[in-house]
Amino acid sequence: QVQLVQSGAEVKKPGASVKVSCKASGYTFTDYYIHWIRQAPGQGLEWMGWINPKNFDTKYSQKFQGRVTMTRDTSISTAYMELRSLRSDDTAIYYCAREKTESGYAPVNYWGQGTLVTVSS
Amino acid sequence: DIQMTQSPSTLSASVGDRVTITCRASQTISSWLAWYQQKPGKVPKLLIYGASSLESGVPSRFSGSGSGTEFTLTISSLQPDDFATYYCQQYKSYSPFTFGPGTKVDIK
Repeated sequence: QVQLVQSGAEVKKPGASVKVSCKASGYTFTDYYIHWIRQAPGQGLEWMGWINPKNFDTKYSQKFQGRVTMTRDTSISTAYMELRSLRSDDTAIYYCAREKTESGYAPVNYWGQGTLVTVSS
Repeated sequence: DIQMTQSPSTLSASVGDRVTITCRASQTISSWLAWYQQKPGKVPKLLIYGASSLESGVPSRFSGSGSGTEFTLTISSLQPDDFATYYCQQYKSYSPFTFGPGTKVDIK
């Protein structure tokens, strides 16, 4: 069965960086795009970007351009999301999620459990 | 990025009610629209994709319609398990994906 398992909670100081991992299993990792979505406490879903694990292609939301980097390691079926220059309003649960189809540009239907990132001095 | 809006932001309804949520895109997205349901403390669940296609395992009381810039999610007869927050998301090719702000359906 498809599973996405994320790394554990993080506490960071303003200005620091965080790197969240997402280990995939139960399918061929390079066949499906991985998206990163975040949700601040009590707020809605915010799409951050996606990575195509097959060719390293990425697309980011304009809001995070220049501050986020999405990467992957195909040898261990793991995707990563690094966010730099953290601010207090980056405090959120960060989710990785897999697209529904192999074609790219599809909604997501498998989610990781979420990683809480807290930014506080 | 394409902007998404939803209305209403909160909806109070009773079990058995017919519920409709509207989602609008700032530019045409054809039928590249999905609907998700999220309950407190849980990950979102895909309900509808392609504006009107029901995801496997989702009850048939959920339906979606629309194309271009205006879309609706309808719950034909609201059940106790349906009290949740609903988000639309556009996934138009070559554009960054974006979510709507959400519609919370609570008990009247």
